[in-house]
Amino acid sequence: GQQLNQSPQSMFIQEGEDVSMNCTSSSIFNTWLWYKQDPGEGPVLLIALYKAGELTSNGRLTAQFGITRKDSFLNISASIPSDVGIYFCAGQLGTRTSGSRLTFGEGTQLTVNP
Amino acid sequence: EAGVAQSPRYKIIEKRQSVAFWCNPISGHATLYWYQQILGQGPKLLIQFQNNGVVDDSQLPKDRFSAERLKGVDSTLKIQPAKLEDSAVYLCASSYLVDTQYFGPGTRLTVL
Repeated sequence: GQQLNQSPQSMFIQEGEDVSMNCTSSSIFNTWLWYKQDPGEGPVLLIALYKAGELTSNGRLTAQFGITRKDSFLNISASIPSDVGIYFCAGQLGTRTSGSRLTFGEGTQLTVNP
Repeated sequence: EAGVAQSPRYKIIEKRQSVAFWCNPISGHATLYWYQQILGQGPKLLIQFQNNGVVDDSQLPKDRFSAERLKGVDSTLKIQPAKLEDSAVYLCASSYLVDTQYFGPGTRLTVL
């Protein structure tokens, strides 16, 4: 089946630093999504990307849908302690209206030192 | 607006026992999903319902897992009998149709 390779697996940074993580796939997706999961909670959607080449921002977060439709990256600028958590990328084959299952990456564990 | 509710939050059982999880989606959401998240991995879809019909159960181990969504609202996921490798967090999510999925807090299952 489809697999997403997410890197890095973990990151340890100082407060105020910028962070970058990415996801690659052997097959194409029509939608790329980025989620954050805190301990004991379910994933929460951060950014959704629907078009190849699309660059979307949500506050200090910026994500891009790769032009080949096989990759995506997420940047976090000026990190703060509450950015700590696990970040997952997810790909979806279906269109915005038809939809299909989400395939998740393995996650990036982010630790921010104050 | 209330989020996705799940219960129990934690469950510990011995192998070969049975267990059931319950999910109440966001009001008005037609689509309901069950995911399995093994420690250190991303969630994996087990089954997707639209109203009370199954849309995708291709990754559900049907010899031991079953799920139902009677009346198109609440859903239960059952494992019978449980194996050690079923230890995981079981996440329920819902969406209005097939758009943004909202996740519940999950049920952490430990099989001894």
